[in-house]
This record gives sequence, structure tokens and C-alpha cells, in this order.
Amino acid sequence: GESVGLHLPTLSVQEGDNSIINCAYSNSASDYFIWYKQESGKGPQFIIDIRSNMDKRQGQRVTVLLNKTVKHLSLQIAATQPGDSAVYFCAENTGYSTLTFGKGTMLLVSP
Amino acid sequence: NAGVTQTPKFRILKIGQSMTLQCTQDMNHNYMYWYRQDPGMGLKLIYYSVGAGITDKGEVPNGYNVSRSTTEDFPLRLELAAPSQTSVYFCASTPTGGGNEQFFGPGTRLTVL
Repeated sequence: GESVGLHLPTLSVQEGDNSIINCAYSNSASDYFIWYKQESGKGPQFIIDIRSNMDKRQGQRVTVLLNKTVKHLSLQIAATQPGDSAVYFCAENTGYSTLTFGKGTMLLVSP
Repeated sequence: NAGVTQTPKFRILKIGQSMTLQCTQDMNHNYMYWYRQDPGMGLKLIYYSVGAGITDKGEVPNGYNVSRSTTEDFPLRLELAAPSQTSVYFCASTPTGGGNEQFFGPGTRLTVL
């Protein structure tokens, strides 16, 4: 079965709000956890990753949090914009740079 | 750089037909991958390659074949198309050691009727 999954299939927010997308994983041996964004009709695009020995990493408007105790990963998007509307996938690096992807969460941002 | 390109964009096949999905990258990446994405689902790894002449099975390789004769090209072959292979197929690449940032093509939408 899949080792990476998401709690919420769809998240609707207002423009300017902060968004939090969650992900559960089961493979404790993964070295990295990664977030990808997929816009409609396009291939996924890398957002940010976090190494398994870290608990927080920040990028531009995004923060990824890793809680290894409960095997939980989250992506926080600050000041969400309409251009952030997409499906977000968490993934884990399982070796040879092969990734295992979760099912995805759709983020809908209303103006 | 064009990045990762895939052809065709769309294709309809009849059951039992064969086809090759083309994937080319111009970034001199050693690692290349084929995924399929079913509606409302994540990506499943079909095959991958860590360099020319080397290929390995992913999670869902049955019904597919690949070859990697050059660094740039990584075609995916469907020999006997089945309705279960209706999906969107994505090719991706990453440089050796590039790890987590895979560069994806725009996808090929395949329907088998």
C-alpha cells in the first residue's frame, strides 16, 4: 500500500489567508520529504524539501514542518494567492532519487 | 533549454494496439523517470533509469517497457494496450545527486478504448 497519504482532499481558503496542507507518512527510513505543486494540465513542480533530521524549513512564503514522532508532514503557505490554486502532493525519497507520492490535496483560493 | 518534452500530448488507442510515448530532456540529466497519474490520484512510478543503458522497474511496470540508449531520450513502450492503461503519463528527470527536485514534462494523456 501507499506509505504517504493526505488527510484532506480539498482545502478552500480566501485570498490572503494562510493555508496548511497536511500529510501522513509511514516509512520512517525515508531521507527526505518533499512537496510538489501541480497546476491543472501541467506536470508537478518542486516546491520545497526537508531532510529527515530537520523539523522545519522555510522558503519563499512556504514553510514545511516535519514531526517524526507522529509521522506527519505539513506545508504552510503564507498570504495565499489565487496563483497558489493547485493540487499539492507530498512525497518521500525512497532511494536512487525515486519518489513515492501521496494522493494530493486540492487547494482552492477565492479572491 | 526546453527542459523535458513529451510527445504526443494526447492519444486514443484501441485495445491491443501498441505505441511509444516519447520523452526527451536537454539538461544532461542522468536520472529519468516515467510515472502514470490516474484521475484524482498521485503519481505511480513505472520505470526509471540512472543512466544510459540502465533501467529499473518501479511500482507499476507491468504492461510497459523502456529503453535508454542515450542520455537525452527515455521512451516508454506499451505493447498491448488495455483500458487499465488509460491515464496521464509524465516523464521526469533529475541530475545525478539532484535528488528531490525532479523536472517534469507536460504529460501525455492516453485513452484506451
